[in-house]
Amino acid sequence: GQNIDQPTEMTATEGAIVQINCTYQTSGFNGLFWYQQHAGEAPTFLSYNVLDGLEEKGRFSSFLSRSKGYSYLLLKELQMKDSASYLCAVRDWVLTGGGNKLTFGTGTQLKVEL
Amino acid sequence: EAQVTQNPRYLITVTGKKLTVTCSQNMNHEYMSWYRQDPGLGLRQIYYSMNVEVTDKGDVPEGYKVSRKEKRNFPLILESPSPNQTSLYFCASSLYSGGLAGVNTGELFFGEGSRLTVL
Repeated sequence: GQNIDQPTEMTATEGAIVQINCTYQTSGFNGLFWYQQHAGEAPTFLSYNVLDGLEEKGRFSSFLSRSKGYSYLLLKELQMKDSASYLCAVRDWVLTGGGNKLTFGTGTQLKVEL
Repeated sequence: EAQVTQNPRYLITVTGKKLTVTCSQNMNHEYMSWYRQDPGLGLRQIYYSMNVEVTDKGDVPEGYKVSRKEKRNFPLILESPSPNQTSLYFCASSLYSGGLAGVNTGELFFGEGSRLTVL
């Protein structure tokens, strides 16, 4: 099984940088995803890490350390529209039955203030 | 436009009245999945399908059924809904990676969600 932990809430100021952490425990790691979900809407894909290191995509970056079971999502130059829930999701390779299983954390609600 | 379409978007029903939530994707994705989202519990997987006629239980399958007769459709069936199935439901699909650290990310594309209330 998987155990994914991320903070419940965070608050940051417009224009600042915020880091959202995610720790996980898994037996057959096969990738980590970050999704953004605005209130009342569907999650949308932000980033994917399967190897250690930093993946940068515009204002958003995501980091992975497989040995530590740790990832973070870094949001730079925060904007009001970045107020949303950020979901960490870990994909496991399922040996029995094949395929991959994706498990989501409970999400971090980010509030961006003026 | 590439999309995942769910219907209905909103539904209020009563205990025991069978209902089906449809899900259709136009991206030729092999993998499809149903999630429910509840406050404080996040997204939990109900059922998933890796291809036509291949379905499997997720973390919370009790009270639900699915079928995958065609690649594009993956309906969620509540045979006898109960109030504890009141939730926000999401269907999602992805291009199945097919193995360890597959050639594509396998990111999920979500439908807009179906808010179900069971009285």
